[in-house]
Amino acid sequence: AIQLTQSPSSLSASVGDRVTITCRASQGISSALAWYQQKPGKAPKLLIYDASSLESGVPSRFSGSGSGTDFTLTISSLQPEDFATYYCQQFNSYPQKAITFGQGTRLEIK
Amino acid sequence: QLQLQESGPGLVKPSETLSLTCTVSGGSISSSSYYWGWIRQPPGKGLEWIGSIYYSGSTYYNPSLKSRVTISVDTSKNQFSLKLSSVTAADTAVYYCASLSITIFGRWGQGTLVTVSS
Repeated sequence: AIQLTQSPSSLSASVGDRVTITCRASQGISSALAWYQQKPGKAPKLLIYDASSLESGVPSRFSGSGSGTDFTLTISSLQPEDFATYYCQQFNSYPQKAITFGQGTRLEIK
Repeated sequence: QLQLQESGPGLVKPSETLSLTCTVSGGSISSSSYYWGWIRQPPGKGLEWIGSIYYSGSTYYNPSLKSRVTISVDTSKNQFSLKLSSVTAADTAVYYCASLSITIFGRWGQGTLVTVSS
């Protein structure tokens, strides 16, 4: 099964900072990677799909990049509402369909 | 707008079967645009995909849970369901249902906490 490893596991930053979170796949997954934001007590919210496509309604300060095994989520200028936990997620169809999530990155206020 | 809502017992005894239902509103579960999925999150931990189903009944499961999981669909009720057998305390989690557009979970239910305890 394909494993996703996020780094860092936690991160402290200030409002206005530029932040980058990395997700590494154990084997190539083309661009089939999504990013989600989860706040305490809430369901995850889709931010980015197909590695770099911004979900409708998501602020443009969020961006994604990468392909193959290395992917990044960047928040260009942190806002107070961005402090949350972020997960990457992949879908593969070979040798069998499967979905995996990264372990999460907790973004905290410095 | 598509909405999903989980329902089922919040407490299950060890060795018994956990059963949850997800009711879909604002769209048809028979839409060719979606698969439907279950995801869980133990308290304080990360997300784990459980399995997914198409309206035709075609399923695929997390290999680590496959032997204990059954996901089914009832198109007449616009619902899909999860059964997880032989539960232990390790299965205590918030369980989410979600719509799956090929590779991404676009819409999520609010989640329901299921505790495994005697």
